[in-house]
Amino acid sequence: DVQLQESGPGLVKPSQSLSLTCTVTGYSITSDYAWNWIRQFPGNKLEWMGYISYSGSTSYNPSLKSRISITRDTSKNQFFLQLNSVTTEDTATYYCARRADYYFDYWGQGTTLTVSS
Amino acid sequence: DIVLTQSPATLSVTPGDRVSLSCRASQSISNYLHWYQQKSHESPRLLIKYASQSISGIPSRFSGSGSGTDFTLSINSVETEDFGMYFCQQSNSWPYTFGGGTKLEIK
Repeated sequence: DVQLQESGPGLVKPSQSLSLTCTVTGYSITSDYAWNWIRQFPGNKLEWMGYISYSGSTSYNPSLKSRISITRDTSKNQFFLQLNSVTTEDTATYYCARRADYYFDYWGQGTTLTVSS
Repeated sequence: DIVLTQSPATLSVTPGDRVSLSCRASQSISNYLHWYQQKSHESPRLLIKYASQSISGIPSRFSGSGSGTDFTLSINSVETEDFGMYFCQQSNSWPYTFGGGTKLEIK
């Protein structure tokens, strides 16, 4: 069965960069599909952040384009989120998710990130 | 960006009720509309794809309808396990966006 698991620091200071890891088991991220980061703010709003495809191409939400980078380590079947110059408004639960066609069919359990000094 | 407006924000119901949740798009999105359920402290779970297509493993009491700008998720005879948040998501154009959610709670 396909499983995704996020990991991250939990707490980041304003102006620093955040780095999150999504470890995928049960499916190779180089076989097919797009591998996404989605975040959920306090109050429940969901925001799609970006993806890296099975071929390695990336696409980002224009609202984040100057701060975001998604990369991968195919040997470990992991992909990563880096978000630069974080502010308190980046406090959220971060999910990684697989996109099949046009919808998200598998999600990780989420990792909570707080931005605070 | 396409804005999805869900209504009502909160719906208080009794187990056994039939309920309808609405999602309205700011422009036509054909049938590129998907529904998710999120229970407390869990990640979202796909319920319906392409407005009305069922998902394997999802109970048959969940159904979807609509196209263009107006969509509905219906739950026939709500069960206690159905309480939580429901979100719609569009994939007609980038960036993909989500609605603000409807909270289904016990009356």
